[in-house]
Amino acid sequence: NAGVTQTPKFRVLKTGQSMTLLCAQDMNHEYMYWYRQDPGMGLRLIHYSVGEGTTAKGEVPDGYNVSRLKKQNFLLGLESAAPSQTSVYFCASSYHSGDTQYFGPGTRLTVL
Amino acid sequence: GENVEQHPSTLSVQEGDSAVIKCTYSDSASNYFPWYKQELGKRPQLIIDIRSNVGEKKDQRIAVTLNKTAKHFSLHITETQPEDSAVYFCAARTGANSKLTFGKGITLSVRP
Repeated sequence: NAGVTQTPKFRVLKTGQSMTLLCAQDMNHEYMYWYRQDPGMGLRLIHYSVGEGTTAKGEVPDGYNVSRLKKQNFLLGLESAAPSQTSVYFCASSYHSGDTQYFGPGTRLTVL
Repeated sequence: GENVEQHPSTLSVQEGDSAVIKCTYSDSASNYFPWYKQELGKRPQLIIDIRSNVGEKKDQRIAVTLNKTAKHFSLHITETQPEDSAVYFCAARTGANSKLTFGKGITLSVRP
């Protein structure tokens, strides 16, 4: 039981490049979330999903897209990376909205 | 939307002393309040949570209290140990949706 996993762990991009971050969970959770963590800003919700095939915007969705084609996977895409997207990205999942959110190990992204 | 605030941003205590971390929230409809601990370089992990129908909850050395009238909840850590040093995030969830709103985090340092 791996819990929540994220790939890659680290990535360096140049401005304008695109990439996709993959989150996978093996706990059969309905809800999945993408957060970004910046110094002094806490955890800010980018997008989330309440079930397979659904997505919704969070607090800071601009510049990101997501997809939930399979229940166990939640993908975060950056179409044209900007330096302001340099951050640590955490994925999380939960069975219900009021349940514990389990976080992945994070992806450290640097955009030059 | 919900607004969650944590003050101060840092707290330092002597090993063995108690630590109290307070959060305030803005939406009186919020009904779920978790606390997450994040050690340096690690993922956030749930340490305790409380629902709006309960005033206090304890788990060994940690406890959480909720004051719905004043719209604040607090994390209490007794007999602090160096391994309690971490960033602590509070969060609140408002009834009908599935999003948690996190505070910016408090860095707790336990001096040996």
